[in-house]
Amino acid sequence: NAGVTQTPKFRILKIGQSMTLQCAQDMNHNYMYWYRQDPGMGLKLIYYSVGAGITDKGEVPNGYNVSRSTTEDFPLRLELAAPSQTSVYFCASTPRDSNYGYTFGSGTRLTVV
Amino acid sequence: GENVEQHPSTLSVQEGDSAVIKCTYSDSASNYFPWYKQELGKRPQLIIDIRSNVGEKKDQRIAVTLNKTAKHFSLHITETQPEDSAVYFCAASYSGTYKYIFGTGTRLKVLA
Repeated sequence: NAGVTQTPKFRILKIGQSMTLQCAQDMNHNYMYWYRQDPGMGLKLIYYSVGAGITDKGEVPNGYNVSRSTTEDFPLRLELAAPSQTSVYFCASTPRDSNYGYTFGSGTRLTVV
Repeated sequence: GENVEQHPSTLSVQEGDSAVIKCTYSDSASNYFPWYKQELGKRPQLIIDIRSNVGEKKDQRIAVTLNKTAKHFSLHITETQPEDSAVYFCAASYSGTYKYIFGTGTRLKVLA
């Protein structure tokens, strides 16, 4: 039982490049989330999913896209990377709804130069 | 709108002293209140949570209290140790919703 696995751990992108941040969980959790955390700041919700095939926007969705084709996987796509997207990205999951504790992945540290 | 205020933003205590972090929520329908600890460069990790049908919950040196009337809840850490140094986030949510409302975080420093 690995929990929530995120890849890669670190990445440097050039402005305008695209990439996909991977997130997988093996706990059969229905709800999954993507957050970003800027240095010294709190967690901002980018996108979330309540089950396979269902996704919705959070507080800061611009510049990102997601998909949820299976219960296990919830990739985050960055198109046309900008310096403002330099951040640490955390994926999280919870069994049913937000009335349970989140399990976070170890994060992806992204730098856009 | 929904809001969770967290205070203080930074807190320094001497090793062995107690630390208290307070959060106030706005949505009276909130019924689940988790606390997360985030060490430097690490992921947030759930350390304790409380549901609205309970007034207090303890787990060794940490405890959480909830006052539903005043809509606030607090994290108490006793006999602090250097390894307690971290950022602590509170959150509030209610059944059937998709997300938490996180507080802004408290940076706790335990001075040896």
